[in-house]
Amino acid sequence: GQQVMQIPQYQHVQEGEDFTTYCNSSTTLSNIQWYKQRPGGHPVFLIQLVKSGEVKKQKRLTFQFGEAKKNSSLHITATQTTDVGTYFCAGRYNFNKFYFGSGTKLNVKP
Amino acid sequence: DTGVSQNPRHKITKRGQNVTFRCDPISEHNRLYWYRQTLGQGPEFLTYFQNEAQLEKSRLLSDRFSAERPKGSFSTLEIQRTEQGDSAMYLCASSLERGLGISPLHFGNGTRLTVT
Repeated sequence: GQQVMQIPQYQHVQEGEDFTTYCNSSTTLSNIQWYKQRPGGHPVFLIQLVKSGEVKKQKRLTFQFGEAKKNSSLHITATQTTDVGTYFCAGRYNFNKFYFGSGTKLNVKP
Repeated sequence: DTGVSQNPRHKITKRGQNVTFRCDPISEHNRLYWYRQTLGQGPEFLTYFQNEAQLEKSRLLSDRFSAERPKGSFSTLEIQRTEQGDSAMYLCASSLERGLGISPLHFGNGTRLTVT
C-alpha cells in the first residue's frame, strides 16, 4: 500500500557536521512536506515540494524532490545545537491525506 | 491566527472506559486531520474532514473509534471501550486546502491518552 519510508532512524553528529535524511515512496507522490518536531513538541511545517526535481533552500537547509517524485531528502549544512529534533517527511498521494515517515531523530553534540 | 487547540492535554482512563477529545482548528481552515503518534514513530493517519464531511477513515481503525465535525468547525474524536494499546498522543491538525497551493498542516499540542 501507500507508505513513506524514512532513513536513518537516528543520527548523532558533532556540531558543525552535515546531516541528511531520506524519504522514499514506492509510488509517485503528488507532493511532499517536511516537518520538524522538537522534544515534547508537535510537528512544525518546514517546507512543501511539488515539482519533479525541485530543490528549495532555507538558510542551511536544502530540500530536494526526486525526478520521479518518489523520493526526497533534507540536508542540513554545518549543524547547530538548535537543529536538534526529529525531522519527518509527509508524502501525499493525489492531494489527499498525508503519510508521515517514521522520522529521523537528530542529536547534535556541542 | 490563534493556532489549533486541543483538549484535554492529558487523559488517564481505565481500560474499558470511553473517552472523547476535542479539537478547535484555525478558524478559516477547511480541512481537519486526526493523527495518532506513539514514542519514536511518525504521526499515523486516523481520519480527516473537508468542512463537515468525513472524507476518509484509516482501515487500521476499529469501530471503537469515531470522529465528527458537525458544523465544519471543531471536531471530536471518541474512543469507546479503551484498550491499553490505545495509549498514545492524539494529534489534530488543520489546513486551508486551495487546490494545488501549499497547504501546511498546523498541529495542535495533542492529547496524551494513557489507558491503565
